[in-house]
Amino acid sequence: DVKVTQSSRYLVKRTGEKVFLECVQDMDHENMFWYRQDPGLGLRLIYFSYDVKMKEKGDIPEGYSVSREKKERFSLILESASTNQTSMYLCASSRRDRVSDTQYFGPGTRLTVL
Amino acid sequence: GNSVTQMEGPVTLSEEAFLTINCTYTATGYPSLFWYVQYPGEGLQLLLKATKADDKGSNKGFEATYRKETTSFHLEKGSVQVSDSAVYFCALKRGAQKLVFGQGTRLTINP
Repeated sequence: DVKVTQSSRYLVKRTGEKVFLECVQDMDHENMFWYRQDPGLGLRLIYFSYDVKMKEKGDIPEGYSVSREKKERFSLILESASTNQTSMYLCASSRRDRVSDTQYFGPGTRLTVL
Repeated sequence: GNSVTQMEGPVTLSEEAFLTINCTYTATGYPSLFWYVQYPGEGLQLLLKATKADDKGSNKGFEATYRKETTSFHLEKGSVQVSDSAVYFCALKRGAQKLVFGQGTRLTINP
């Protein structure tokens, strides 16, 4: 069964802290994604990676960075957390194949920045 | 640019009622269209998809038809159940791999 896991379901951090959100997939997918989900705004793409060590900015990359050192793992980094980064963060993965391109999502990490 | 607009929620229905959640899109070319569902406490999962005009996607009693002339992909189900309570997202595929999501519609079904 397809699985995407995220390191924490809930996280509370303080303003200015460096925050790491980890995502692991076991499907050997080439593509991995980080989104944030906010009420009334749906999901917005932060960063996208189509291969190891490759990354591409999404629609809202400001204040975030990512790391993909291994195919199965994609990390989202908040260099200096701010209160406006309080949100639900969702990781997803997919094959690069244009036909079998369904994105599979993790359960999400609800981050609160105080 | 590419965008997706869904009907405002929340939507509350009684069990066995007919469901429609409206979705319209703006895009260049012919994007693939998707409905994803998010059950309480879970991530999103694909509900159905359609890749070209007049295609009908279906799954778990839900259906949606890709209407190019009205740029719509409305989600329908003939008889909803309590277990259908969730948040529903319409999305289109932008470029080779990326998705653009609507704002989501929260559906609550009362017994």
